[in-house]
Amino acid sequence: EDQVTQSPEALRLQEGESSSLNCSYTVSGLRGLFWYRQDPGKGPEFLFTLYSAGEEKEKERLKATLTKKESFLHITAPKPEDSATYLCAVQASDTGNQFYFGTGTSLTVIP
Amino acid sequence: GAVVSQHPSWVICKSGTSVKIECRSLDFQATTMFWYRQFPKQSLMLMATSNEGSKATYEQGVEKDKFLINHASLTLSTLTVTSAHPEDSSFYICSGQRISSYNEQFFGPGTRLTVL
Repeated sequence: EDQVTQSPEALRLQEGESSSLNCSYTVSGLRGLFWYRQDPGKGPEFLFTLYSAGEEKEKERLKATLTKKESFLHITAPKPEDSATYLCAVQASDTGNQFYFGTGTSLTVIP
Repeated sequence: GAVVSQHPSWVICKSGTSVKIECRSLDFQATTMFWYRQFPKQSLMLMATSNEGSKATYEQGVEKDKFLINHASLTLSTLTVTSAHPEDSSFYICSGQRISSYNEQFFGPGTRLTVL
């Protein structure tokens, strides 16, 4: 059965304290892994797509990496405005266009 | 690019009434749109997948007669919650899938439904 697990569930960081969020997956044939940011009361905002192991993508203070079993979202020197829930989703070759979402990591960056 | 809008952003209705939520892809064509439901502090739960011009595919446990989905064009899908009850109160989010190498989904801002 395809599964997506995110850890930790919640993370509190001091401003400037770098850290990483994890997304572990078990799917039959990965077609793509997607990272989203969701602010309270809003829809998810697309961040990155990763397609193959070894791939990396960067955007401002965020960097996403992918292996055959997991993806990391690295946050470098976070700021309070980076506080949000970060969602990971995977698309598998045996499930058409559907995304499987993890339960998210709630990040709080304290000034 | 890749903007999805939803209307209304929030709605309050009486029990037994029907509510329609619109989802539009503003700057791309979405042959597939998805409807999700999200409860507080939980992740997104896929309700149905809708392809333009064909019937929606509902996830197990989602009543197709209660949640009517229409995807009449490449830029518009609608979700109608029929005979709404308080337990239908939730945050409903749609997404449009852009056809590309990665088939990214782009999400709307969500609709908060409260049924009294």
